[in-house]
Amino acid sequence: NAGVTQTPKFQVLKTGQSMTLQCAQDMNHEYMSWYRQDPGMGLRLIHYSVGAGITDQGEVPNGYNVSRSTTEDFPLRLLSAAPSQTSVYFCASTPPGGGYEQYFGPGTRLTVT
Amino acid sequence: AQSVSQHNHHVILSEAASLELGCNYSYGGTVNLFWYVQYPGQHLQLLLKYFSGDPLVKGIKGFEAEFIKSKFSFNLRKPSVQWSDTAEYFCAVTARSGSARQLTFGSGTQLTVLP
Repeated sequence: NAGVTQTPKFQVLKTGQSMTLQCAQDMNHEYMSWYRQDPGMGLRLIHYSVGAGITDQGEVPNGYNVSRSTTEDFPLRLLSAAPSQTSVYFCASTPPGGGYEQYFGPGTRLTVT
Repeated sequence: AQSVSQHNHHVILSEAASLELGCNYSYGGTVNLFWYVQYPGQHLQLLLKYFSGDPLVKGIKGFEAEFIKSKFSFNLRKPSVQWSDTAEYFCAVTARSGSARQLTFGSGTQLTVLP
């Protein structure tokens, strides 16, 4: 298994541009989520999905959009990038059952100028 | 909603020193507790977890944590740190009820171990 994969690893955007961060997992996990990591703030939940076709907002959803058409993929879209969205983005997935532990991808470092 | 506090933002130790990182959470119900580690330039990896049973849990690389329910705490310990333990450590909690499995993270503790 490749686990959780994310592309790209690095990205620079200009203010106002849009882009999609890709996330995929091959472990057949139903639950997937997106976090952003900022210095001194830990990880904050952006959006999550409990299965294909079902998504919901987390703590900091503004400026981001998600969809979940398959179990494997959970892309995150930045609609109109702003400098405040400069961050490291992590995708994670959780296996079924009561464990709730999450498996994280390698992250995407995004800079918005 | 749950919240997590990690009071130590940056800890500097010499090799062989003992480590204890504090973690307190706020939530009225039953929780699952985690410690994750992030080595420089890498993604988060699970160190250990507590779901139920023995409140002293052992994880990888010699780490352990103790859940003290009365204090809402889940402190991380290691008797003797190594230079390779230099990393950022995150405490996280999730409520055990409901279908959503959102993790709430603390702000992290940067550990620097001097050789």
